[in-house]
Amino acid sequence: DSGVTQTPKHLITATGQRVTLRCSPRSGDLSVYWYQQSLDQGLQFLIQYYNGEERAKGNILERFSAQQFPDLHSELNLSSLELGDSALYFCASSVQDSTNSPLHFGNGTRLTVT
Amino acid sequence: DQQVKQNSPSLSVQEGRISILNCDYTNSMFDYFLWYKKYPAEGPTFLISISSIKDKNEDGRFTVFLNKSAKHLSLHIVPSQPGDSAVYFCAASARTYGGATNKLIFGTGTLLAVQP
Repeated sequence: DSGVTQTPKHLITATGQRVTLRCSPRSGDLSVYWYQQSLDQGLQFLIQYYNGEERAKGNILERFSAQQFPDLHSELNLSSLELGDSALYFCASSVQDSTNSPLHFGNGTRLTVT
Repeated sequence: DQQVKQNSPSLSVQEGRISILNCDYTNSMFDYFLWYKKYPAEGPTFLISISSIKDKNEDGRFTVFLNKSAKHLSLHIVPSQPGDSAVYFCAASARTYGGATNKLIFGTGTLLAVQP
């Protein structure tokens, strides 16, 4: 158990809809990261927050947004969903915002857009 | 543009033998490299890392080798065990100008199957 909690585990929704994925980081971790894993793809970095502030952005679509709240949990909002958004979405956390701080991943949310 | 490449989608090894997983990268700014292991229905789990100032790091049965001139790293597992069967991801990060960042770039993974 990594200590990172993601909800829900599975989500099935229709095109055009909006969903919110939630992540609770490990106790004491200040950084939260979101990754997307599509079929046969590696994990694609979406966005990172550190102590409530956006720290780095990857290939995140404009239809997607995220935030980290004062209690350090984070939410990833996906809107105007398309079939291609179907993927595994992982949240990870780390203690610091540095390259010497390995990420700890949750078990992911599997999003299916029909 | 795939900055981190794992060209072998799968690898099959006999129990007790050595498993060698390979990874190539293109960005010379990468200064920290990691290997993650992933079982089905679980998130990736950190396995071992290496800084660009080293060329080898060992942790029990796992050793990571870094060849900066070739932009290549490898993970050796000796001896391989059936419980090692999983997808292995190589990842790299680069310190950005003006500060640290933990933005990890992942490869597409290699599925290791250790046969009993």
